[in-house]
Amino acid sequence: ILNVEQSPQSLHVQEGDSTNFTCSFPSSNFYALHWYRWETAKSPEALFVMTLNGDEKKKGRISATLNTKEGYSYLYIKGSQPEDSATYLCALNAGGTSYGKLTFGQGTILTVHP
Amino acid sequence: NAGVTQTPKFRILKIGQSMTLQCAQDMNHNYMYWYRQDPGMGLKLIYYSVGAGITDKGEVPNGYNVSRSTTEDFPLRLELAAPSQTSVYFCASNIQGGGGYTFGSGTRLTVV
Repeated sequence: ILNVEQSPQSLHVQEGDSTNFTCSFPSSNFYALHWYRWETAKSPEALFVMTLNGDEKKKGRISATLNTKEGYSYLYIKGSQPEDSATYLCALNAGGTSYGKLTFGQGTILTVHP
Repeated sequence: NAGVTQTPKFRILKIGQSMTLQCAQDMNHNYMYWYRQDPGMGLKLIYYSVGAGITDKGEVPNGYNVSRSTTEDFPLRLELAAPSQTSVYFCASNIQGGGGYTFGSGTRLTVV
């Protein structure tokens, strides 16, 4: 069973703060790393799918980096806004495109206070 | 474009009852998945399918069954519901197995 760990479990920040959180995964089992944003009462929404070591992806104020050799990915949010409040999930695809199965971390709950 | 549609959104079952959670997608995605979300835990894979007529077990398949007779539909069947099956169930799909998932809105199931 693959172990995908996210830290911290929860985070409270003030509006305008920049923040980041971590996803750790076994570096020996890697095809792709996914990030999702999951707002309350909605379904998880894909943010990034990352496959290459050193990859950096950006979507508005949110960006992510990937280190497959040491087995971690960082998600950064610049100038947090209350609408960024959500659970951020990372997920590892260790098996490639044959099945596309993901192993999810437990999530980081972000609360941005006005 | 509806995406992934799950029904029902909420359901309360008594121990020993059976039910089917429906999932349909209109994006012509070959790959479909069922996950469950328990508090404080990551999403756990129950069953998945890579195309019509092909299904396989995930990490936590016990107590569940699936079928995939068409590309669009991937129902999840609970036989003899148990309190341990109280959870939020998500159906998801993607086109080739390597891309991001499109999730349904979830089904919150309580077994009492």
